[in-house]
Amino acid sequence: GAGVSQSPSNKVTEKGKDVELRCDPISGHTALYWYRQSLGQGLEFLIYFQGNSAPDKSGLPSDRFSAERTGGSVSTLTIQRTQQEDSAVYLCASSLAVGQADFYNEQFFGPGTRLTVL
Amino acid sequence: RKEVEQDPGPFNVPEGATVAFNCTYSNSASQSFFWYRQDCRKEPKLLMSVYSSGNEDGRFTAQLNRASQYISLLIRDSKLSDSATYLCVVKIMDTGRRALTFGSGTRLQVQP
Repeated sequence: GAGVSQSPSNKVTEKGKDVELRCDPISGHTALYWYRQSLGQGLEFLIYFQGNSAPDKSGLPSDRFSAERTGGSVSTLTIQRTQQEDSAVYLCASSLAVGQADFYNEQFFGPGTRLTVL
Repeated sequence: RKEVEQDPGPFNVPEGATVAFNCTYSNSASQSFFWYRQDCRKEPKLLMSVYSSGNEDGRFTAQLNRASQYISLLIRDSKLSDSATYLCVVKIMDTGRRALTFGSGTRLQVQP
């Protein structure tokens, strides 16, 4: 079946502009995660959704970052007033329902959106 | 201090060699453990989960030492196609937190 898809694959924007990144999770996956990976760095957690709610937003680096998820499916990550330090690959992942037995539910990653802020 | 620490490498090994990667984690609330593989400019993909008893999948063996908060990955009979970055990953299951915590990765280059 289809994996996690993200769009756009590449986005170049000017400092100060707003950008929206989209994630389409695997059908039936209720958990959705956003991460970002800066050049040469490990993945950094941003936000987690269970259904349409976000119980963990602890990784959002500033109030310029927000995300929403509607219909328990597609999610949008919005970055307002972009800065050069926002340049990174933004990765979305999804997994099956979260519960007490969630220890080893695999997270499947999308191909990412490469954001470049000039 | 990073929650998950790995030697960044690179590890340059000849085909057929055995190579081992180590990883330490600092949060004792870590409940589950994984190795992911990431090819250049690609997304991470699960290589294997790491269980307390240790587990093996073909040429790959993973070990977990909870007392020392240490995880390892052993690759036997390295292939050229094993060249990638190997990410040590933990899941911390305390209240509300479900995301994965990634190490920065260890780069492996297998040479002919």
